[in-house]
Amino acid sequence: DQQVKQNSPSLSVQEGRISILNCDYTNSMFDYFLWYKKYPAEGPTFLISISSIKDKNEDGRFTVFLNKSAKHLSLHIVPSQPGDSAVYFCAASAGTSYDKVIFGPGTSLSVIP
Amino acid sequence: EPEVTQTPSHQVTQMGQEVILRCVPISNHLYFYWYRQILGQKVEFLVSFYNNEISEKSEIFDDQFSVERPDGSNFTLKIRSTKLEDSAMYFCASSDWSAGYTFGSGTRLTVV
Repeated sequence: DQQVKQNSPSLSVQEGRISILNCDYTNSMFDYFLWYKKYPAEGPTFLISISSIKDKNEDGRFTVFLNKSAKHLSLHIVPSQPGDSAVYFCAASAGTSYDKVIFGPGTSLSVIP
Repeated sequence: EPEVTQTPSHQVTQMGQEVILRCVPISNHLYFYWYRQILGQKVEFLVSFYNNEISEKSEIFDDQFSVERPDGSNFTLKIRSTKLEDSAMYFCASSDWSAGYTFGSGTRLTVV
């Protein structure tokens, strides 16, 4: 039962272009969404979050968009840099941010110089 | 920047043995978690801990697993009798009320 889905296991983007990572969820009780970045042999690192009362949140090169009616969110990275190459996990929780977080399977992003 | 520390970084154990994975969360955080990632699979929630008790656990967290905060700084995950399928990266995380969790760098558990 995959409550959080990331249907693209991998994505390649040229340096300087936009990276768009997509995520879909099935549980309508989710109201808080997070993106994490993970390098090999390291733990996930928090990137950006959005609550269900908003449809967009921006932090530097990272913007997360939320479409509640479609149960879809996306992470935009612009411009993409080689250091952005990592696995990106979409995650969701129901309730406050300290509740358990359900992770998607991840998308491996490669930014090509 | 404050960080979550996990030890050991790699643990090899024989099937049936007990293991204890250790974590030192960020000192002013109140919520603590264990997650695991089996090789090639997604990060899975195991358990959350608040106010000295388990607040939520997944179906993975059966009677073989236990957590403890023995001294107010460490947060441990014990697996009583390890199985081959327990081999995974185990991540500890802690959180305050702000957005997101801070994860440790993980303990790679290999059960042979």
